[in-house]
Amino acid sequence: ETGVTQTPRHLVMGMTNKKSLKCEQHLGHNAMYWYKQSAKKPLELMFVYSLEERVENNSVPSRFSPECPNSSHLFLHLHTLQPEDSALYLCASSQDHPGGDTQYFGPGTRLTVL
Amino acid sequence: GESVGLHLPTLSVQEGDNSIINCAYSNSASDYFIWYKQESGKGPQFIIDIRSNMDKRQGQRVTVLLNKTVKHLSLQIAATQPGDSAVYFCAEKRGADGLTFGKGTHLIIQP
Repeated sequence: ETGVTQTPRHLVMGMTNKKSLKCEQHLGHNAMYWYKQSAKKPLELMFVYSLEERVENNSVPSRFSPECPNSSHLFLHLHTLQPEDSALYLCASSQDHPGGDTQYFGPGTRLTVL
Repeated sequence: GESVGLHLPTLSVQEGDNSIINCAYSNSASDYFIWYKQESGKGPQFIIDIRSNMDKRQGQRVTVLLNKTVKHLSLQIAATQPGDSAVYFCAEKRGADGLTFGKGTHLIIQP
């Protein structure tokens, strides 16, 4: 266990559905991240939050909407997704500043968009 | 251009042998490097890290070597065990930027 949990672990949704992914970290960190992991591609950074404020958005489509209500919780709201959005979505956290030092990852949510 | 890449997508080794996984980077400004291990169905797990002011760092059965002259990073795993089967990623950090990950190398342990 890394101290970062994610729910659900698996999610199947249609293109017209709305769903949310949840991440919680128990490490006392102050930065949290969403990554997308597709087959045979490097991890893609989607969003970074530091002290609950979004500091980086790597040109992610608006159908992905993050929310960070406090330093321990991070959500990724999904709506009108496309089949190519099917991937493993990973949450991570770290201490200090965004990109600073080691990031600890959760187990991921395996998303399938039909 | 800037990149973090792995020399081989798949590495097959005999159980008990040592494994060496390589990583190349192109930005000399990178100052921090991490190796992650990702097993099937799990998220990446931190293995070991090294800062640019060091050449070598050892952990339990793992050693990371950094050659800044040729911009090369390697992960050595001693006495490879079946539980070492996984995909290994290197990641680099440049100053205040976020981590940049390579594609990963799949380590396969032969009995």
